[in-house]
Amino acid sequence: GNSVTQMEGPVTLSEEAFLTINCTYTATGYPSLFWYVQYPGEGLQLLLKATKADDKGSNKGFEATYRKETTSFHLEKGSVQVSDSAVYFCALSRRGNKLVFGAGTILRVKS
Amino acid sequence: EAQVTQNPRYLITVTGKKLTVTCSQNMNHEYMSWYRQDPGLGLRQIYYSMNVEVTDKGDVPEGYKVSRKEKRNFPLILESPSPNQTSLYFCASSQDWESSYNSPLHFGNGTRLTVT
Repeated sequence: GNSVTQMEGPVTLSEEAFLTINCTYTATGYPSLFWYVQYPGEGLQLLLKATKADDKGSNKGFEATYRKETTSFHLEKGSVQVSDSAVYFCALSRRGNKLVFGAGTILRVKS
Repeated sequence: EAQVTQNPRYLITVTGKKLTVTCSQNMNHEYMSWYRQDPGLGLRQIYYSMNVEVTDKGDVPEGYKVSRKEKRNFPLILESPSPNQTSLYFCASSQDWESSYNSPLHFGNGTRLTVT
């Protein structure tokens, strides 16, 4: 079946550090891939997505590239801010199938 | 403002006392879904609905009921809550089932339920 594996957290970084959160997936065919972010006390919101191989999704300085050869969709940001502290979820979906989420990675950014 | 509204935000109850968590969306979305979020497990789908009067089980439906009598509302019912249903619950919606694989889910702000 379809599944998503994310790196365990929490990830703790200093402000302006480089961020990578790893995400790998297992799926048949060609899923769409997503990163959702959950700020404290809020629901999840879409951060970025990619719908086919080699697509790069980007938003708010975050980027992730759909790598079919390595079945990965790692989230990166060049310089994190305290306001980026949140829980990040990698997810996949295929046409006619529900969205499947990873376990989530807590990011803590210190000033 | 387009939104998914859940109520209540916090709920503490006792084992066996029936409760309902309400969910309403104002975007005319056809597809709605309930999730529970537990540490280390991510989000797991409880039930979903593709349209009015069409509902189906997700991954963890035991102990829950839903109904979809109107397009905008999708309440979650726990008829006899137990402590293992203590969790953070989210309602979500998207335009329709067909586009849900490729378009964002819109989430409510969550309901934190504690069953003692």
